[in-house]
Amino acid sequence: GAVVSQHPSWVICKSGTSVKIECRSLDFQATTMFWYRQFPKQSLMLMATSNEGSKATYEQGVEKDKFLINHASLTLSTLTVTSAHPEDSSFYICSASPGDINSPLHFGNGTRLTVT
Amino acid sequence: QKEVEQNSGPLSVPEGAIASLNCTYSDRGSQSFFWYRQYSGKSPELIMFIYSNGDKEDGRFTAQLNKASQYVSLLIRDSQPSDSATYLCAGFNFGNEKLTFGTGTRLTIIP
Repeated sequence: GAVVSQHPSWVICKSGTSVKIECRSLDFQATTMFWYRQFPKQSLMLMATSNEGSKATYEQGVEKDKFLINHASLTLSTLTVTSAHPEDSSFYICSASPGDINSPLHFGNGTRLTVT
Repeated sequence: QKEVEQNSGPLSVPEGAIASLNCTYSDRGSQSFFWYRQYSGKSPELIMFIYSNGDKEDGRFTAQLNKASQYVSLLIRDSQPSDSATYLCAGFNFGNEKLTFGTGTRLTIIP
């Protein structure tokens, strides 16, 4: 089945530093990948849609200059949290679909970010 | 009004009984619906998806979709303690390629 790999699984960083999270589709090509954020005991919130070869589409309220998304190939999208602050601490999850209209999204294992 | 609504629970079901999880949606453009299971601290994992009216069965799980009523449900038969998790309902709109999640229902199976 379709596999999405996300790295790292967890990261602790100091306030003001930047963190990069990678999302790879291992056995299929994904022209579109999605980045979600989940705070404790809350649902998944879509942050942005990553489009291969073009600019990402950000949801309302998500700062595009803070959450940089690069989708340079059909199998890799990266999310960089720039100048991270403690309020950015969250569970970040990427997802992708093989592209079949009836094919479900597959999620990476998520990245637990803690900003101290 | 939230686009996808679920009862947050917690829902407690005795082991071996049927667990019934419900979801309603407001976006009539949503065409496919997904049930994900999420254990605490883990990423969601797909249980089932459904896009046609009626029932779809897979092992102990049955998804039901009623587009006229904008209602989706998931039945879990012969509930096991390992089924204890948060279940997320999501609707996918192929027009804007958005997958919208409900807030999830926390299910606890009581041994």
